[in-house]
Amino acid sequence: EPEVTQTPSHQVTQMGQEVILRCVPISNHLYFYWYRQILGQKVEFLVSFYNNEISEKSEIFDDQFSVERPDGSNFTLKIRSTKLEDSAMYFCASNGGRQETQYFGPGTRLLVL
Amino acid sequence: AQKITQTQPGMFVQEKEAVTLDCTYDTSDPSYGLFWYKQPSSGEMIFLIYQGSYDQQNATEGRYSLNFQKARKSANLVISASQLGDSAMYFCAMREAYNFNKFYFGSGTKLNVKP
Repeated sequence: EPEVTQTPSHQVTQMGQEVILRCVPISNHLYFYWYRQILGQKVEFLVSFYNNEISEKSEIFDDQFSVERPDGSNFTLKIRSTKLEDSAMYFCASNGGRQETQYFGPGTRLLVL
Repeated sequence: AQKITQTQPGMFVQEKEAVTLDCTYDTSDPSYGLFWYKQPSSGEMIFLIYQGSYDQQNATEGRYSLNFQKARKSANLVISASQLGDSAMYFCAMREAYNFNKFYFGSGTKLNVKP
C-alpha cells in the first residue's frame, strides 16, 4: 500500500542552525502539507502546497520557514534559523483530490538545543 | 471559536467494551468533511474514518463507526470491542470545502484500554 515517507525520523540541531525535513508524498497525490505537533499538544497546520506553490499558510509559517518541491517526488520543509520553540514533531501529509483524505507520514521529531 | 472541540482529554475503557470519543465542530460551510486519526505512542498519525457532510449514512470502518449528528454538529467516534492496541491518542479533524487546503484538528483524547 502506498504511503507517505519522511526522513530523518529524528533530528537534533543547535539553535540558529538550518534544518531541512524531507518528505516523499504518495506518488499520484497533488496536494501536500506540513503540520507541527509540539509534545503533548494538538496538531497544527503549517502550510499547504499545490501546483508548485503555497496555497495556504498559517501564522506559524513565518519567514523562517520555506517549502519546496525540488523534483517530482520530494517535498521539503526548511527552517532557516531554528529556535528552541521549533522543537516538535513535524508531519508531512498528502492527498489526491481536493476532498480526499489526507495521509500522514510517520513524522520527523526535531529537537533544537 | 474553536473549529474542533474534543472535551475528553483522557478516557478509560475495559477491553472488549465499546467506547465513544466525543467531537464537536464549528463551521458555517455547508460542505465539509470530518476525519478521525489515531496516534499511538510511536507518534505516527493513522487515518481511521471519514464522514462527509452530505453523507446520508454514518460512516463505518470495521470496529470504528462515526455517530454523525449534523444538527448538533457532533461527530463522535465509536470503537466497538476495544482492544489493548486501541490505546492511543485520537484526534478529530475537519476540512471545509471553501478552504479545503486546511485541516483543523482537535486537542485529542487519550484512550487507555484496560485488560
